[in-house]
Amino acid sequence: KAGVTQTPRYLIKTRGQQVTLSCSPISGHRSVSWYQQTPGQGLQFLFEYFSETQRNKGNFPGRFSGRQFSNSRSEMNVSTLELGDSALYLCASSKGLREDSGANVLTFGAGSRLTVL
Amino acid sequence: AQTVTQSQPEMSVQEAETVTLSCTYDTSESDYYLFWYKQPPSRQMILVIRQEAYKQQNATENRFSVNFQKAAKSFSLKISDSQLGDAAMYFCAYRSERTGFNTDKLIFGTGTRLQVFP
Repeated sequence: KAGVTQTPRYLIKTRGQQVTLSCSPISGHRSVSWYQQTPGQGLQFLFEYFSETQRNKGNFPGRFSGRQFSNSRSEMNVSTLELGDSALYLCASSKGLREDSGANVLTFGAGSRLTVL
Repeated sequence: AQTVTQSQPEMSVQEAETVTLSCTYDTSESDYYLFWYKQPPSRQMILVIRQEAYKQQNATENRFSVNFQKAAKSFSLKISDSQLGDAAMYFCAYRSERTGFNTDKLIFGTGTRLQVFP
């Protein structure tokens, strides 16, 4: 089955611009979460969505936002880009609810590499 | 707040040998999951192994096994019969399993870069 698809894979923006990243989860997965990966800060949780509702949010400024559509696809947006927003943005999907048999397993996409000049 | 610490920025191992990666964590919760993820140069995070906190038995997946010490809040990964394809960044991660609180939020350690030499 198809994995988690993130687009675009690479993009270059300039300071002050905005960017939208897309994530298509595995079919049947209702939860999508986003992470930012940088050399300095490591992997940090941005937010997660379940059935079109934001379920949890990390400690990022309001310039970072996201949404989820009825088909579970998710987008994240970063407005007024700063140099420090250069990062690999990872999306992960899961079924969204704990199953009786154990953990809800996250499957990650290949990421979107954002460079801000 | 929960934290995850990986104190070994880099490790190396000879092919076919065994290596252990360390991870400690801090939490006041009793219900949680711990994970090891592998991130090869392709950057895609791959789940290696997971451990439920309430299970005393250590998880095993083929050549990968963990040593889970709940009281010590330690969760190390042992890779046996190392292969060249095991070379990657390895991240330890924590997820809360608090009753009534569904989340996929993972708290990651800073990672350990594993090199495998032929």
